[in-house]
Amino acid sequence: NAGVMQNPRHLVRRRGQEARLRCSPMKGHSHVYWYRQLPEEGLKFMVYLQKENIIDESGMPKERFSAEFPKEGPSILRIQQVVRGDSAAYFCASSPNRDSSKTQYFGPGTRLLVL
Amino acid sequence: DQQVKQNSPSLSVQEGRISILNCDYTNSMFDYFLWYKKYPAEGPTFLISISSIKDKNEDGRFTVFLNKSAKHLSLHIVPSQPGDSAVYFCAANREAGRDDKIIFGKGTRLHILP
Repeated sequence: NAGVMQNPRHLVRRRGQEARLRCSPMKGHSHVYWYRQLPEEGLKFMVYLQKENIIDESGMPKERFSAEFPKEGPSILRIQQVVRGDSAAYFCASSPNRDSSKTQYFGPGTRLLVL
Repeated sequence: DQQVKQNSPSLSVQEGRISILNCDYTNSMFDYFLWYKKYPAEGPTFLISISSIKDKNEDGRFTVFLNKSAKHLSLHIVPSQPGDSAVYFCAANREAGRDDKIIFGKGTRLHILP
């Protein structure tokens, strides 16, 4: 019973390159959330997706960041033209189909370092 | 504006004693509260939650208390064990209606002393 999977666990990019972070939710979960954690900070919500739909992207920067959750395959968080300030830990969480549980289960995170 | 506040960045507790982690919130729309535990280089792990219709929820050594009038909640761990040393995040969202994002506090680092 695999949990939330994220890869890569660590990613190093130079300024201006693209970063692609992948997240596979727990089996049976169709809701995916992306959060970012800066050093010494809590997790900040970025975007909430269901299969093929973006439900809430209020926490995502308007430029350079995009997210998708296709019908088949993992959810992707894409950061174009990365800058040093994008260095952070990016966590994906998933939750079951709409039911009484609002608990989100987190993956191990991807640590992005921009040089 | 910090909607979920954990005012103690760190806390040290003797092994075997009670650990009490505190959390305050400002948004009266929040009606579901969660505690997550996080070890270095890992993702947050769900610990315990409480709905606003309750004032207490207990699960083994972990108990969460909610005081809605004060917009305050606390996590009690008793007895504290060495493996409890971690960062604890208080979080909140709205249970009713559509799914919604979780708002996290900045965390409290708990050290359990031998």
